[in-house]
Amino acid sequence: GAVVSQHPSWVICKSGTSVKIECRSLDFQATTMFWYRQFPKQSLMLMATSNEGSKATYEQGVEKDKFLINHASLTLSTLTVTSAHPEDSSFYICSATGTSGRGLGAQYFGPGTRLLVL
Amino acid sequence: DQQVKQNSPSLSVQEGRISILNCDYTNSMFDYFLWYKKYPAEGPTFLISISSIKDKNEDGRFTVFLNKSAKHLSLHIVPSQPGDSAVYFCAASVSGGTSYGKLTFGQGTILTVHP
Repeated sequence: GAVVSQHPSWVICKSGTSVKIECRSLDFQATTMFWYRQFPKQSLMLMATSNEGSKATYEQGVEKDKFLINHASLTLSTLTVTSAHPEDSSFYICSATGTSGRGLGAQYFGPGTRLLVL
Repeated sequence: DQQVKQNSPSLSVQEGRISILNCDYTNSMFDYFLWYKKYPAEGPTFLISISSIKDKNEDGRFTVFLNKSAKHLSLHIVPSQPGDSAVYFCAASVSGGTSYGKLTFGQGTILTVHP
């Protein structure tokens, strides 16, 4: 089946530093990748949609200058949390859609990255 | 504004019995619905989906029912197994236009299946 990986799986950083999270589709080409954030005991909230070779589309309330997204290839998207603060601590999950034609059911999720900003 | 709601934060069921997880939505533009299963510290795993042109979709032990007039869907798991214990999220999407592929998730329901 389709596999999506994320790296790192967890990261602890100091306030003010930047953190980069990678999302890779390992066995399929992902034309679109999505980035979600999940706070404890809350739902997954879509942050942005990333299409290969074009600028990401951000959801309302998500600062594009703070959460930089790059989708340079059909297998890799990166999310960079710039000048991270404690309130950015969360569980970040990416998902990717392939070109298999299975429709929305083909949105495969990565294992997530736990970010803790001290 | 929570467009997809799962009003039961948790559900406890005996092994072998039926588990029924419920989900309500408010956006009438949603026309594609999915259920995901999630373990702690992992990404969601796709279970089953249904298009708004159907009212039922079945896959093994999992059946999803859609009531468009009530804007309600449910996931039935029969028979329930201890390995089904996880958090279940329903998600909804608009299958066309600029919102294609964007999923709106409910808050999740923690299912515990007791042996």
